[in-house]
Amino acid sequence: GIQVEQSPPDLILQEGANSTLRCNFSDSVNNLQWFHQNPWGQLINLFYIPSGTKQNGRLSATTVATERYSLLYISSSQTTDSGVYFCAVSGSARQLTFGSGTQLTVLP
Amino acid sequence: ETGVTQSPTHLIKTRGQQVTLRCSSQSGHNTVSWYQQALGQGPQFIFQYYREEENGRGNFPPRFSGLQFPNYSSELNVNALELDDSALYLCASSLQGENGYTFGSGTRLTVV
Repeated sequence: GIQVEQSPPDLILQEGANSTLRCNFSDSVNNLQWFHQNPWGQLINLFYIPSGTKQNGRLSATTVATERYSLLYISSSQTTDSGVYFCAVSGSARQLTFGSGTQLTVLP
Repeated sequence: ETGVTQSPTHLIKTRGQQVTLRCSSQSGHNTVSWYQQALGQGPQFIFQYYREEENGRGNFPPRFSGLQFPNYSSELNVNALELDDSALYLCASSLQGENGYTFGSGTRLTVV
C-alpha cells in the first residue's frame, strides 16, 4: 500500500511565527487531505488537495502530485493552532492512509 | 447540512465483551469508513461500506464487523474485546471518496 511520511514529527513555535509541514507519499494518489486533530480527538478537515494550491485564511497548502509531496503552511501561528496535523492520502483503493502526524505546539 | 455524528462518545468495556459503535453519515454521503486510532498514532483503516456492502478492509481480524443501513448510517461491532482494542474509533463519510472525507468526533473505547 501507499506509504506516507510526515515531517517534522514535533514542532514548537512562538506565537506569531510561520511554519511549514511536509507530507511525502510513495505512489500516485487521487485524494490528499490535511487534518487538524483537536485535543478532544476530532479530525478537522483543513484541505482536500490532491493537486495544486489552496488557501484558507492563515493556512495554505500545495500538493505537487508529480513529485509526490504536499506542504501545509501556517502563517502568524496562534495558540489555538496547537495540536496534531495529519496528512492522509488514498489511491485506487479509496481508503485513507494516514501519516504519523506532526505535533505542533504554539507558545504564547 | 449536518456533519458526521458518532455515539457513544465514551465507553468502558470488560475484556471478552462485545461492543457496538454507531455513526450517522453527513447528509448526501453514501460511503462510510471506520478507523481505529491508538494513542499517539495515526488512524488505521478498518473497513469501508458503500451501498450497504463492505468494499474495502484493512488488516483487522473478523471479530471486527460492520453494517451500513439504507439511510447510510453505520455500525461497528467488535466481539471478544481485547485490551489492545482500547482506542479512539473514528467514522468518516464521503460521496464515494469524491471531495474527501468528513470525520466524526469519535468514540473513545477503553477495555479493562
